[in-house]
Amino acid sequence: QVQLVESGGGVVQPGRSLRLSCAASGFIFSSYGMHWVRQAPGKGLEWVAVIWYDGSNKYYADSVKGRFTISRDNSKNTLYLQMNSLRADDTAVYYCARPSGYNWNEYGGDDAFDIWGQGTMVTVSS
Amino acid sequence: EIVLTQSPATLSLSPGERATLSCRASQSVSSYLAWYQQKVGQAPRLLIHAASNRATGIPARFSGSGSGTDFTLTISSLEPEDFAVYYCQQRSNWPTWTFGQGTKVEIK
Repeated sequence: QVQLVESGGGVVQPGRSLRLSCAASGFIFSSYGMHWVRQAPGKGLEWVAVIWYDGSNKYYADSVKGRFTISRDNSKNTLYLQMNSLRADDTAVYYCARPSGYNWNEYGGDDAFDIWGQGTMVTVSS
Repeated sequence: EIVLTQSPATLSLSPGERATLSCRASQSVSSYLAWYQQKVGQAPRLLIHAASNRATGIPARFSGSGSGTDFTLTISSLEPEDFAVYYCQQRSNWPTWTFGQGTKVEIK
């Protein structure tokens, strides 16, 4: 079945780095753009980044621009999020999400996200 | 940046009652609006895309309406499993996306 599985979360000190992975299965990964979305404890959802289906374009929320890098390896059906210069306010559950195919945009998918991973927790603390 | 404001923050209702949730955009987002349901400890689930279209497998008691700046998610008759937090989302500010702050539907 269609599935996304995140990994790589953990506890990290402020200023350090962490790389998250999202393994995709059950669909043609290389055809879809992909997103990262995060949720701080007890808070709402925050969109983090998007990458085009072929990796040609990447966009970020202002809160992570210059610190986080989204990437993908279509040969491995895997999405990544490299997080540098981590801060306490980056503490959150990080979800990878696949856009639906209801309407196809240039980046590889719709505006809504129909497949989500289970999330991986990142805690930034000294 | 387009801001989505959801109201009310909390909705206290009983099973069988009708729930009406609002999402207002700070500027027009056309029909580029989606609704999600999230239960505690779970990932969000897509309910509605393009303002009024139910996602695959979503029960007919869920409906979405609106365009421009004002949108509504209606649950016609609440089932016990519908008590959760609901988020609206837009992507009109291409190519970035934003979510509303959420509405919690709780049992009265």
